[in-house]
Parts: sequence; C-alpha cells; structure tokens
Amino acid sequence: NAGVTQTPKFQVLKTGQSMTLQCAQDMNHEYMSWYRQDPGMGLRLIHYSVGAGITDQGEVPNGYNVSRSTTEDFPLRLLSAAPSQTSVYFCASSYSAGTGVNTQYFGPGTRLTVL
Amino acid sequence: AQSVTQLDSHVSVSEGTPVLLRCNYSSSYSPSLFWYVQHPNKGLQLLLKYTSAATLVKGINGFEAEFKKSETSFHLTKPSAHMSDAAEYFCVVSDRAGNNRKLIWGLGTSLAVNP
Repeated sequence: NAGVTQTPKFQVLKTGQSMTLQCAQDMNHEYMSWYRQDPGMGLRLIHYSVGAGITDQGEVPNGYNVSRSTTEDFPLRLLSAAPSQTSVYFCASSYSAGTGVNTQYFGPGTRLTVL
Repeated sequence: AQSVTQLDSHVSVSEGTPVLLRCNYSSSYSPSLFWYVQHPNKGLQLLLKYTSAATLVKGINGFEAEFKKSETSFHLTKPSAHMSDAAEYFCVVSDRAGNNRKLIWGLGTSLAVNP
C-alpha cells in the first residue's frame, strides 16, 4: 500500500492564481481531511469528508474548495491564492468517520508559497 | 468545547535521560486523546492513543502516556531519550464523545536531544 499520497511536494504561486493540491489514499478509508500547518499555530482543519459525495467545513475553510467524487481522492482547490495561504498542507485519512478512535494517516505534505 | 494545551513549547534533554512532554486537555465528554510525532520535514505519525480502556497507554519507540482524569492530563514520557527522538510532538483531543471527525490539536512541543 502506498498509504496517503500528496502531490505536488512543493509549489510556488503568484497572488490570484488557482491550483489544486492532490490527495489520494489506497486504504479504502471513509474519512479524509485537509489541514494546514503554520508556525506557532499547530494544525488547523480546512475541510473534511466522511465519504464519497459528502464534505464539510473545518476550522479555516475560506479560500478553499473540496470535492469527493471517489473514496480514494480528495483534492483541495485554492480558488485565488493569497500570501496568507502560504503554509504546509497535510492530507489525512482514517478508516471510519463514525464514533470510535480511528488513527489518522497523514500524507507527506505539500509546501506552498504564495508570492 | 474541547481544547488542549501543551505546557512547553520546547524541551531539551540529554541522550539517555527521561523525557516528559506535558499535555492538559479540556473536554465536556469522555475524551479520546492522541500523541503524534513529526520529524523534520516529514509527515505526522501516531505515537499512541487513549480510548477509555487502560489509563496507561504504550506506544511506539518506547513512549507511553498516562490518562489522569482528575488532573485532565495526558503527559507523554519515555525513560531514556535517543537522538532519533528529536522531533515535534503534538497532543490531540477528539471532538465529541469518541468521534474523531474533528481533532483539536495542541500547538506542539519541540524536543531536542543533546549528545
């Protein structure tokens, strides 16, 4: 199993550009999520999905869109990049979104810089 | 609302000495608690988790944590630090009773291990 994969690893954008961060998992996990990690602020949840066709907002959703057309893929779209979106982005997945304490598996991250 | 506080932003120990990383939480429900580790420029990996079973939880790489409800704490310990333990450590509490849909992350503790 590849686990959780993310592409690209690094990206530089200009203000106003749009792009999509890719995330895929091959573990048949129901639950997938996107976090951003900023110095001194820990991880903050952007969006999450409890299954194909179902998404919801996290703590900091503004400026980002997601969709979940398949169980495997959960892309994150930046609509119009801003310098405040400079961050490291992590995708995570877990077996179930229901009650319980399911381990989240993280991808290696995407380091995004917006100029 | 749930919250988690990591009491030290930086901890420095000598190789072979004990490690203590402190975490306090606030929860209206019976919480689920996790410790994750992030090595430099790497993704996040689960160290251990508490799921309302045994209060002393053993994890990978010799780490363990004890859930103390009366003190609302979930401190991470290791008897003898190794150079490879140098990393960022995150304490995490689940949102709602046993539901990992939204995890609340601490701001992290950076562990340095000196030779």
